[in-house]
Amino acid sequence: EDKVVQSPLSLVVHEGDTVTLNCSYEVTNFRSLLWYKQEKKAPTFLFMLTSSGIEKKSGRLSSILDKKELSSILNITATQTGDSAIYLCAVRTSYDKVIFGPGTSLSVIP
Amino acid sequence: GAGVSQSPSNKVTEKGKDVELRCDPISGHTALYWYRQSLGQGLEFLIYFQGNSAPDKSGLPSDRFSAERTGGSVSTLTIQRTQQEDSAVYLCASSLRDGQGPNEQFFGPGTRLTVL
Repeated sequence: EDKVVQSPLSLVVHEGDTVTLNCSYEVTNFRSLLWYKQEKKAPTFLFMLTSSGIEKKSGRLSSILDKKELSSILNITATQTGDSAIYLCAVRTSYDKVIFGPGTSLSVIP
Repeated sequence: GAGVSQSPSNKVTEKGKDVELRCDPISGHTALYWYRQSLGQGLEFLIYFQGNSAPDKSGLPSDRFSAERTGGSVSTLTIQRTQQEDSAVYLCASSLRDGQGPNEQFFGPGTRLTVL
């Protein structure tokens, strides 16, 4: 059965801290790994990773995929209260099925 | 349209009634997904469409749930004889088909369903 696991499930940090969120997967016919940020209702897209070892970066957020280890990490440096959200990892298969992990709930306190 | 739209945004119904939720994907997106998110839970995959066909219906929780898509565009998720445990936010997403370009999903705003 296809599965995506995230850790930790919740995390509380202080502003300015750096956090690392983990995602691991077991799927057939892996195509890409996606990271989303969910603050209210709908998740918003952050990154799509397809190649191992290539870091994607956007401001203070970065992510990298390790296909050998079937995992990915999302790093957030110099966290701000606006980073508080649920971060979702998802894996897309070549059959276009997308499986989401349970999410990591991040709370950044001043 | 510019993005994925869903209607209604909120739906309150009585137990035992049928409901229909609508999703209008981004024009040109052939893949369409339905998810459910209960309070404090992650996204639960329900069904996805490639064009008008649904290759994977394995996520539908019971035979009270059904979905269809016509004309490769609008999709309707129907829940018959609603139960209180059906209360959740139902999210729709669309994307280009794998291999046709960037395949991140774009989400609609969701429909919040409350079954009394």
